[in-house]
Amino acid sequence: GENVEQHPSTLSVQEGDSAVIKCTYSDSASNYFPWYKQELGKRPQLIIDIRSNVGEKKDQRIAVTLNKTAKHFSLHITETQPEDSAVYFCAATDTGRRALTFGSGTRLQVQP
Amino acid sequence: GAGVSQSPRYKVAKRGQDVALRCDPISGHVSLFWYQQALGQGPEFLTYFQNEAQLDKSGLPSDRFFAERPEGSVSTLKIQRTQQEDSAVYLCASSLSGRDLYEQYFGPGTRLTVT
Repeated sequence: GENVEQHPSTLSVQEGDSAVIKCTYSDSASNYFPWYKQELGKRPQLIIDIRSNVGEKKDQRIAVTLNKTAKHFSLHITETQPEDSAVYFCAATDTGRRALTFGSGTRLQVQP
Repeated sequence: GAGVSQSPRYKVAKRGQDVALRCDPISGHVSLFWYQQALGQGPEFLTYFQNEAQLDKSGLPSDRFFAERPEGSVSTLKIQRTQQEDSAVYLCASSLSGRDLYEQYFGPGTRLTVT
């Protein structure tokens, strides 16, 4: 089955700096890659997603890149703010499987 | 509109008790998923419904876990004879389509503690 690895497990940045979180996946059939933000005790919230027919997608301060050949995808957050502090999860799935396989999470802390 | 809702939000069960967790998906969403999230880890897939059909239950950890969605809307996850290792947050997610890959929207989860 699919295996998703996520790095780093923790990331501390200064407010205004950029943050990058990286994930690799094992199943070449995977074609949908969402990113979720989860604050303590809250539900995972979708922040951005990318499909395998696209190499990059941007939404304001957040961008995701996908390298299908290398089977890795990354989340980029620019101009970080304290409210960006949370745990971020990457995930992968395909049209046949549908269920998401999640990475182990990255705890991002933005220092004011 | 209303998002995915789950009840109860918290459940404490003594070992050996049966529990039932409810999920109300977004109205009109065809697909419904259950995930289990242990403390400090990412959600792990349990089971998937398309309308009332349970198409994938490969993630259910044992035959003590049972899920249903009889009318294609509300779903219930039942755990029989709870064990301490069942303690986790149980998340429900729904998605618009049963055919194409659409965003999965999560509920707030039910935190189950087995004592």
